Amino acid sequence: EIVLTQSPATLSLSPGERATLSCRASQSVSSYLAWYLQKPGQAPRLLIYDTSNRATGIPARFSGSGSATDFTLTISSLEPEDFAVYYCQQRSNWPLTFGGGTKVEIK
Amino acid sequence: EVQLLESGGGLEQPGGSLRLSCAASGFTFSGYAMTWVRQAPGKGLEWVSGISSGGDYTYYADSVKGRCTISRDNSRNTLYLQMNSLRAEDTAIYYCAKDVTTLGYYYMDVWGKGTTVTVSS
Repeated sequence: EIVLTQSPATLSLSPGERATLSCRASQSVSSYLAWYLQKPGQAPRLLIYDTSNRATGIPARFSGSGSATDFTLTISSLEPEDFAVYYCQQRSNWPLTFGGGTKVEIK
Repeated sequence: EVQLLESGGGLEQPGGSLRLSCAASGFTFSGYAMTWVRQAPGKGLEWVSGISSGGDYTYYADSVKGRCTISRDNSRNTLYLQMNSLRAEDTAIYYCAKDVTTLGYYYMDVWGKGTTVTVSS
């Protein structure tokens, strides 16, 4: 199975700052990677799919990039509601897999 | 409004069985692949199983293969997960989720609130 490794595990930033999250795959997933956000006690929410496509209703401050094994989620200017845990997910190979998550916390 | 509502969770002994259900509304259920994802207490997300829109194709995580069966009834707009030979490590919140497109992308854009499964003696 494809292992997704997210880094850093925790990112401490202030509102208004830029956040850069990484997801590395153990083998190429082409462009078949998505990003989700999860707040405590809530279900995850899809942000980005196929590397760079924003899901419906997702603000433009969220952007995705990368290919093959290295992917990045960038939040251009953190809003208070963006502090949460972020997961990447690949759909290139079965079984589908998620990364272990990056927690973005308020500094 | 697009909604997914899971049910069927509960406390079950090791070795027991549970059948989870997910009632869908607000969209054409038969047009979308569906997925189960679980989250153990304090842990990350784990993909469990997926099923194509027509139910012809099913997929499983290694951790549940042979013990779980995903199915759907498109006439009832309902997704199921039959879980057998339950283990303590199956303890988690189980979410059902809808595919983002009708093309079988298996990215999940609508999620239910989840149903809690606890396996303990």
